[in-house]
Amino acid sequence: DAGVIQSPRHEVTEMGQEVTLRCKPISGHDYLFWYRQTMMRGLELLIYFNNNVPIDDSGMPEDRFSAKMPNASFSTLKIQPSEPRDSAVYFCASSLFKSGAEAFFGQGTRLTVV
Amino acid sequence: GNSVTQMEGPVTLSEEAFLTINCTYTATGYPSLFWYVQYPGEGLQLLLKATKADDKGSNKGFEATYRKETTSFHLEKGSVQVSDSAVYFCALSPLNSGYSTLTFGKGTMLLVSP
Repeated sequence: DAGVIQSPRHEVTEMGQEVTLRCKPISGHDYLFWYRQTMMRGLELLIYFNNNVPIDDSGMPEDRFSAKMPNASFSTLKIQPSEPRDSAVYFCASSLFKSGAEAFFGQGTRLTVV
Repeated sequence: GNSVTQMEGPVTLSEEAFLTINCTYTATGYPSLFWYVQYPGEGLQLLLKATKADDKGSNKGFEATYRKETTSFHLEKGSVQVSDSAVYFCALSPLNSGYSTLTFGKGTMLLVSP
């Protein structure tokens, strides 16, 4: 398996524009996570899915953020409208549903909102 | 709730020095414990893990022992290399029958000079 695949790797957009980040989890994994990493806040869990169903989105900072998982092999994180403070590295991760299971991370999308 | 506390960095060492990065946790029950490493420009990857008390996880010369009595999981390496320069994250995953997510510490940057 190629691992967790995220696209794009880098995204630069203007304030107010819509941004869509994409993730393909490892085949067979039950969980999918979206994290945001900044210098100030470290690694934050935004939302996670189990079997394509959103379980906890309490980490989503505002209504401008939304995430979907239409099938087991694809998820999106959308920001509309984007703001400069959304600039961060966004990671997608997936794991199996079992105790002690590790999470496998993608390489991240570096988002810059100008 | 669950939490992980790591020593703040950066930790600056010379090559071949001994490394310790402290990690303590708060959790109900007996969680699984992990150390992840993030090299520059990359996502997090699992370095080692331990799933029960007194277990020792080890990989690439790194090791950590699950200490229930002190709720700690300190990372050690006898002789660091320049290539070990990275950010290290301690994390826990609660053992329960429900959904499982990782709780991360804030990360500790390690800088190794030749």
